[in-house]
Amino acid sequence: RKEVEQDPGPFNVPEGATVAFNCTYSNSASQSFFWYRQDCRKEPKLLMSVYSSGNEDGRFTAQLNRASQYISLLIRDSKLSDSATYLCVVKGPSGGSYIPTFGRGTSLIVHP
Amino acid sequence: DTGVTQSPTHLIKTRGQQVTLRCSPISGHKSVSWYQQVLGQGPQFIFQYYEKEERGRGNFPDRFSARQFPNYSSELNVNALLLGDSALYLCASSPGQGANSGANVLTFGAGSRLTVL
Repeated sequence: RKEVEQDPGPFNVPEGATVAFNCTYSNSASQSFFWYRQDCRKEPKLLMSVYSSGNEDGRFTAQLNRASQYISLLIRDSKLSDSATYLCVVKGPSGGSYIPTFGRGTSLIVHP
Repeated sequence: DTGVTQSPTHLIKTRGQQVTLRCSPISGHKSVSWYQQVLGQGPQFIFQYYEKEERGRGNFPDRFSARQFPNYSSELNVNALLLGDSALYLCASSPGQGANSGANVLTFGAGSRLTVL
């Protein structure tokens, strides 16, 4: 089982739709969780950190379920500019440090 | 405010050659980490440095090495290049390297795209 798993998609949705992505992780000792956005041939950029109580930033909502070891990202009222790959990142202990593990990313295509 | 800068942006090498990639972190960030990203996959962790010491190493062969300098900039070296080393190499900096979420937020450079022929 991969340490961090994501459905690669693509998720193909019309403008205005609501779309949700899930990400599962295997290391129960993981401490920090993030969603990054990566545009084609660009570097990943932080979308939002994920907190235990869940958090919202505009049209984006992130949730963490430690018991089931997954995090989710909900995008409401999708825009064309939301088209990108969304990377789930989990940071957990390894050899005295905290190492980030990335999922392979979920591709989102928003069409008119 | 300058972000994370990487050089070179693109380079082409042949099998067996050696390559050095460079990274300058955001001012004030003491942690630098390196990642390899091949097409269709997420970034794979290679190294993490904090205060000039190696603090983590991913599952990469000994051909990969790195170091961090007193000004917190970093170099990634890859020896005896293989075709499979062709990838986007990303550097990220963060304020720290602990469990605290705020210290963990990674800011990436634009990457160095390596092609091995």
